[in-house]
Amino acid sequence: QVQLQESGPGLVKPSETLSLTCGVSGYSISRGYYWGWIRQPPGKGLEWIGSIYHTGSTYSNSSLKSRVTISVDTSKNQFSLKLSSVTAADTAVYYCARHGPHVPFDYWGQGTLVTVSS
Amino acid sequence: DIQMTQSPSTLSASVGDRVTITCRASQSISSWLAWYQQKPGRAPKLLIYKASSLESGVPSRFSGSGSGTEFTLTISGLQPDDFATYYCQQYYSYSPYTFGQGTKLEIK
Repeated sequence: QVQLQESGPGLVKPSETLSLTCGVSGYSISRGYYWGWIRQPPGKGLEWIGSIYHTGSTYSNSSLKSRVTISVDTSKNQFSLKLSSVTAADTAVYYCARHGPHVPFDYWGQGTLVTVSS
Repeated sequence: DIQMTQSPSTLSASVGDRVTITCRASQSISSWLAWYQQKPGRAPKLLIYKASSLESGVPSRFSGSGSGTEFTLTISGLQPDDFATYYCQQYYSYSPYTFGQGTKLEIK
């Protein structure tokens, strides 16, 4: 059974960098699929942030692109998100999920709330 | 960006009812559409992929249809566990992947 688990600080100060990691179990990232990040502000809808392939190739939402860095560590079977220069608008539950080219998000982590506040 | 518009935003129904949620894309996405169910405090759960294919383990009372720009999710014989928020998502284009704004299904 594929399982994903987000981890990282729950509180980040404005202008700083949000950093999260998604650990994957039950499936080797190196076998394929894309690994993505999605966020959901409190009481609002879902926004795709970006995704990475095991080779390291990435693509991200142009609305966030200049602030987003996604990386993968196949030796630890995990991938990470960095979002720079955060503001209160970046407060959200952040999810990691698996997907593929023409495959929707089929496995999700439980989500982690990140609050941007001083 | 491909815009996804769901209707209605809120839907009130009773156990046993048949309900339909509509999702419209701003341009053709062929059949590259997924439906998710989300309950409070939980991650979204994939229900339907490729517009009409039922994800493994999802009850057969859920069905999807459509292609191009107009899609529907139908739940036949609502169960208490079905009251949740439903989202559509296009995965035709990753520039960017986009979701509908959600439809909250409430108990009447």
